[in-house]
Amino acid sequence: GQQVQQSPASLVLQEGENAELQCNFSTSLNSMQWFYQRPGGSLVSLFYNPSGTKQSGRLTSTTVIKERRSSLHISSSQTTDSGTYLCAMEQGGRALIFGTGTTVSVSP
Amino acid sequence: EAAVTQSPRNKVAVTGGKVTLSCNQTNNHNNMYWYRQDTGHGLRLIHYSYGAGSTEKGDIPDGYKASRPSQENFSLILELATPSQTSVYFCASGDVGGYAEQFFGPGTRLTVL
Repeated sequence: GQQVQQSPASLVLQEGENAELQCNFSTSLNSMQWFYQRPGGSLVSLFYNPSGTKQSGRLTSTTVIKERRSSLHISSSQTTDSGTYLCAMEQGGRALIFGTGTTVSVSP
Repeated sequence: EAAVTQSPRNKVAVTGGKVTLSCNQTNNHNNMYWYRQDTGHGLRLIHYSYGAGSTEKGDIPDGYKASRPSQENFSLILELATPSQTSVYFCASGDVGGYAEQFFGPGTRLTVL
């Protein structure tokens, strides 16, 4: 089965609304990473977050390794936040295992 | 911040032809990776490398070879391209031993006709 589950699959927001994206892992992990991707674009690393809470501007990532979950909070969403958000887990010395992403659409 | 570049950015190939995708990183990372991204499958690992001269098979290596001639360069080779290999390919680099952030290149869009 899928080792990395992301929810929701898609999200529609009005500008100014907050959002919470979830990532759950079915196996133990060493660390995880959140990425942002525009359609046809590359992956931009938002957070490398082995544990705890990290904030960057309007984005906050919280990872609880023991509970195998991570969340990404978007506050006061803007149209420029539209795109796909991917989480990925790292199990130890190897490559990342990705979820299938949450597509966010923010309308003005 | 790590700089990862890929070439070409776009490629159209014919079935049965040979395709080489190149990746260069300038941050002296030991580990490099090749992924492909397809709708419905997300990103999947093809090959990876722990350093110059080493290559390892990822989750979907069939039909692909990899080459790591130096610390900076990592190539993905399709000896006999097939339409099923039409995809977007991403290269990434990261530091040793896991526990390290990965940085991605801009991607190569490959179409095999």
